[in-house]
Formats: sequence, C-alpha cells, structure tokens
Amino acid sequence: GIQVEQSPPDLILQEGANSTLRCNFSDSVNNLQWFHQNPWGQLINLFYIPSGTKQNGRLSATTVATERYSLLYISSSQTTDSGVYFCAVERIYNQGGKLIFGQGTELSVKP
Amino acid sequence: GAGVSQSPSNKVTEKGKDVELRCDPISGHTALYWYRQRLGQGLEFLIYFQGNSAPDKSGLPSDRFSAERTGESVSTLTIQRTQQEDSAVYLCASSLGTGGVSSGANVLTFGAGSRLTVL
Repeated sequence: GIQVEQSPPDLILQEGANSTLRCNFSDSVNNLQWFHQNPWGQLINLFYIPSGTKQNGRLSATTVATERYSLLYISSSQTTDSGVYFCAVERIYNQGGKLIFGQGTELSVKP
Repeated sequence: GAGVSQSPSNKVTEKGKDVELRCDPISGHTALYWYRQRLGQGLEFLIYFQGNSAPDKSGLPSDRFSAERTGESVSTLTIQRTQQEDSAVYLCASSLGTGGVSSGANVLTFGAGSRLTVL
C-alpha cells in the first residue's frame, strides 16, 4: 500500500517563529489533506490540497504531486498551534475512500 | 446534524464483552469512515462506507470487528469479545462523497471520538 512519511516527528518552537512540516508519499494521489489534532484529541481539517498552493491566514500548504510531497507552513506560530499535524492521502487508482494517514508531526509552541 | 456525533464518548468494558460504537455523520454526507487511534499513534484506517456499502473492509483488524451503515446515515462499529489491545480512540469521519482531483467533496469532518478502555 501507499506509504506516507512526515517530518520532523517532533518540533518545539518559540511563539512567533515560523515552521515547515513535510509529507512525502510513495505513489500518485488524487486526494491529500492536512489535519490538526488539538491537545484534546479533536481533528480539524486544515487543507484539501491534492495539488497547488493554498493559504488560510497564518497557514499555507503546497503540494507538488509530480514529486510526491506536500509542505505545510506555519508562520508567526502561537501557543494554540500546538498539537499534532497529520497528512493524509488517497492513492489515485483507489476504488474510493481509503485515506491513509502519516504518523504526524507533534508541534509544541512555547510562550 | 451540524457536526459528526459519536457515542459513547467513553466506554470502559471488561475483556471478553461486546461493544457497539455509534456514529451520526453530517446530514447529506454519503461517505463515512472509521479510524482507530492508539495512544500516541497515528490514525489506522478501519473501514469506509459509500452510502450503505463498504467497498473496502481491508482495515478491519480481525473478524471480531464488524461495521454497518443504514439509511445512508448512522453507522455502528461492533467489537466482539474485546481484548486489551482493542483499547484506543475510535474516530468516525464523514464527507460529501468521493470525487476527482478537482472535487472538494472528499474533505473529511471528524467526530470527537469514542475512547474505549478494555480492562
């Protein structure tokens, strides 16, 4: 099956710093999403981004599908950004629905 | 409903008992997903429904696990003869449906999860 690798596994930032999280995947995909899991366990969709670039406030994401990676940028980080960031992908020839998650990047933003 | 609703939020059971976990997806969402998340780990795909059909059951860990969906709405995940290794948070998500690259119909909305502890 498709492999999804996220890096770094852990990241500690001072409030106000910028960061880049990476997601590599092993096959062509037609669905890629980034999620944030807050410290209470709730998963929130950040981006649906199978290709191209999107921005939402201090967050932006870029997927280069031909090179099989996606990047999530967090600028001017805040303590509320803490939690685990997951990348999830669906293989392009899949019959439908099997969104596979990476192991996540655990981010801790210190005040 | 306004969001994905899961019940119970917490369940403690004894080894060997059966448990049922329920998921109410967002109204009109045809696709429904179950994932398992063990403590400190990523999300493990269990099963996916399109309507009431499950095209991919490959993630179910054993024949003790089963799931059904009725009325293209509520889904139940049943674990029979629970074992301690079944302890985890079981997450449900729904989406409008699957689509191509240009479709935003695949965006998943997750529920808060059902935390299962098997003693």
